[in-house]
Amino acid sequence: ETGVTQTPRHLVMGMTNKKSLKCEQHLGHNAMYWYKQSAKKPLELMFVYSLEERVENNSVPSRFSPECPNSSHLFLHLHTLQPEDSALYLCASSQASGILGTDTQYFGPGTRLTVL
Amino acid sequence: AQKVTQAQTEISVVEKEDVTLDCVYETRDTTYYLFWYKQPPSGELVFLIRRNSFDEQNEISGRYSWNFQKSTSSFNFTITASQVVDSAVYFCALNTGTASKLTFGTGTRLQVTL
Repeated sequence: ETGVTQTPRHLVMGMTNKKSLKCEQHLGHNAMYWYKQSAKKPLELMFVYSLEERVENNSVPSRFSPECPNSSHLFLHLHTLQPEDSALYLCASSQASGILGTDTQYFGPGTRLTVL
Repeated sequence: AQKVTQAQTEISVVEKEDVTLDCVYETRDTTYYLFWYKQPPSGELVFLIRRNSFDEQNEISGRYSWNFQKSTSSFNFTITASQVVDSAVYFCALNTGTASKLTFGTGTRLQVTL
């Protein structure tokens, strides 16, 4: 595997389900990100992890719970989601060399989530 | 506050035409970074270029070129001799380093037809 991978690529879940999105980066980076891409809206940053510690949480509802067990893996745990949470969830990674966020972020293919 | 404006929502061209995608940004910081990403139908955002605010030289990479003008706060992207494979949504993004996030524009959908 190369680059940033995400599984599953597609997910359909009910509002009472619990599921997890997985992201893995094979680039040796030390920072990872979750973004949400909804139709006709700009990409929204959800969470940032640097050296496995969360450094940014952009007022994301608690029904989204991130986990970063090591620098290569990032999870997004989902529970009791709403239909408006349906979107493409993108993971990215970067090598933080100075001020986090100014380095180049490399993205995975995304998980398209549909909440019924 | 940071803001990126991509006024062109959708552009349609015929193959081999040149096309320019506009990007206008707003920031009060003197140090910042600009990016362009391509998002094909598969969904993955593909990195194209990163430019810092102190480097105003235009850049050319194959059929792609970028025109950075601080005087007009623009960072436009031109595809020369477009091809069908260029069909995608293109995003311009900005980061000033004062917040650990990229600010994306709303994207421009480019459709290249035969």
